Amino acid sequence: RKEVEQDPGPFNVPEGATVAFNCTYSNSASQSFFWYRQDCRKEPKLLMSVYSSGNEDGRFTAQLNRASQYISLLIRDSKLSDSATYLCVGSDSSYKLIFGSGTRLLVRP
Amino acid sequence: ETGVTQSPTHLIKTRGQQVTLRCSSQSGHNTVSWYQQALGQGPQFIFQYYREEENGRGNFPPRFSGLQFPNYSSELNVNALELDDSALYLCASSLGLAQYNEQFFGPGTRLTVL
Repeated sequence: RKEVEQDPGPFNVPEGATVAFNCTYSNSASQSFFWYRQDCRKEPKLLMSVYSSGNEDGRFTAQLNRASQYISLLIRDSKLSDSATYLCVGSDSSYKLIFGSGTRLLVRP
Repeated sequence: ETGVTQSPTHLIKTRGQQVTLRCSSQSGHNTVSWYQQALGQGPQFIFQYYREEENGRGNFPPRFSGLQFPNYSSELNVNALELDDSALYLCASSLGLAQYNEQFFGPGTRLTVL
């Protein structure tokens, strides 16, 4: 079983839609969590950190549920430019980042 | 741009050959991590260097080795290349070892092994 699991998608949504991605992690020692965005053939870039109290940045909201070992990302009012792969990432005390396989999002006009 | 650079951008090798990939970290960053990203997968941690010392290693065989220089740039060496080594190799730099320190990724080196 992978340490971080995500639905690979693709999620195909119209502009303006709200879309939610979920992710589960198996290592209870994981302490920090992030969502990264990766465009086709580009490097991953940090989208946002994830906290138990929830974290909102504009149209993006991330949530962590430690009891269920579950992480979510909500994107409101989707834009064409949101089309990308979203990587769920955990990190334990060893500082290495543990990536999920990514969820692909396609926003259509 | 993150300020992290990698060279070369693309590389084609044959099985059994050796390869060296290079990474220059963002100015002031003393930690470099290397990741392997196969097609359709998320990046997998190879190892990390902090102040020229290896600080953790993922599940990769010893033919994957590396080093970090006094200016904090880094090299990844892969010996006896196998077909499955074909992937995007990413390096990421950060300041220190705290988990909340953002890791900034370079554009990657795309390695093809024939």
